[in-house]
Amino acid sequence: GEDVEQSLFLSVREGDSSVINCTYTDSSSTYLYWYKQEPGAGLQLLTYIFSNMDMKQDQRLTVLLNKKDKHLSLRIADTQTGDSAIYFCAEKAGNNRLAFGKGNQVVVIP
Amino acid sequence: EAGVAQSPRYKIIEKRQSVAFWCNPISGHATLYWYQQILGQGPKLLIQFQNNGVVDDSQLPKDRFSAERLKGVDSTLKIQPAKLEDSAVYLCASSLGGSGANVLTFGAGSRLTVL
Repeated sequence: GEDVEQSLFLSVREGDSSVINCTYTDSSSTYLYWYKQEPGAGLQLLTYIFSNMDMKQDQRLTVLLNKKDKHLSLRIADTQTGDSAIYFCAEKAGNNRLAFGKGNQVVVIP
Repeated sequence: EAGVAQSPRYKIIEKRQSVAFWCNPISGHATLYWYQQILGQGPKLLIQFQNNGVVDDSQLPKDRFSAERLKGVDSTLKIQPAKLEDSAVYLCASSLGGSGANVLTFGAGSRLTVL
């Protein structure tokens, strides 16, 4: 079965880079995702990566995938106060559903 | 395009009462999901529909939770009777489905507090 692990809390100064990590257990997952959740809101897709890729870059976001270690990371360059949120990684599991981690809260200090 | 609509946004009930949540997915999205998000945790799938059929309800507490999507569009999730541990945000999401990336679009959620 699938199980997604994330660390809980990260504080970062505005303008610095932030890195959020995630491990997953289902080696057959074809897609892995990063979602962002702001207070009182639903989850918003940030980016996703196909399992045959090692890296994907999208503006300030860089996703790294290490399939051997089942490790996924999200780097946010030039972190802004609007990046303060909870970030969830997720894997595409059976029946096309997404299995989510517990989330990582990022607090950006001005 | 309009997003996923959910109502009500907030609901406070006493234990053993009943509650219903409504979701209107993005037009044309065949797959609809209900997730439960307890404070401090990630979303957990309760039930998944493909059109009006149930694909996965393995984590739905069927003794108290029910959901339907009768015409393959809107969906309702009901809890009867509610327990204290049902306090959570109930998130509805929809997607086109298919074999590709299957991006889920989420609604803002319905926050339930059971006293």
